[in-house]
Amino acid sequence: DGGITQSPKYLFRKEGQNVTLSCEQNLNHDAMYWYRQDPGQGLRLIYYSQIVNDFQKGDIAEGYSVSREKKESFPLTVTSAQKNPTAFYLCASSKGQRKNEKLFFGSGTQLSVL
Amino acid sequence: ELKVEQNPLFLSMQEGKNYTIYCNYSTTSDRLYWYRQDPGKSLESLFVLLSNGAVKQEGRLMASLDTKARLSTLHITAAVHDLSATYFCAVGNAGNNRKLIWGLGTSLAVNP
Repeated sequence: DGGITQSPKYLFRKEGQNVTLSCEQNLNHDAMYWYRQDPGQGLRLIYYSQIVNDFQKGDIAEGYSVSREKKESFPLTVTSAQKNPTAFYLCASSKGQRKNEKLFFGSGTQLSVL
Repeated sequence: ELKVEQNPLFLSMQEGKNYTIYCNYSTTSDRLYWYRQDPGKSLESLFVLLSNGAVKQEGRLMASLDTKARLSTLHITAAVHDLSATYFCAVGNAGNNRKLIWGLGTSLAVNP
């Protein structure tokens, strides 16, 4: 079955540590996104990528980095510069750039600070 | 700057009743989405609304869009327990095709 796989489901970060969240899709979608969700808040865009080897900052990119070396994969690194990383992270993809295209979401990664 | 407001943020209703969730947005947009999220889970797309007067229905849920009022509604008919979830609206920034601005979500509890 086609879909988006995020791993791990739960992740713990120590002070000063970088951690990487995995996102893989087999939907053959061109665009991929990373969102952050905090309790009681809407989703906020961290980074997005429309094609391989290209990505743009979203609204809250500071303290995060991404890469898009393959169409299927869009890993997110939460760096030590992100001082408040505890949140639910959601990866999404969409087929292209037409405005009627919906986002497909992964099951999320809950990141917590030790 | 595009802002999106949903209300109510919390809704507790009895099975069999009808209710409406509202999504207001502040500037011109060319698309609006409704998503559902179960606790600790991913988001599932419900509707995409693109034009003024658009109405879409699936089961007990019906969404509509009034672009002049900058308002979308999600109407629930004869609620059942399975509809308990958080519902989000997201509005497309007309100036940037890739960015959606999300509401805070409406947490719906349908009680027997």
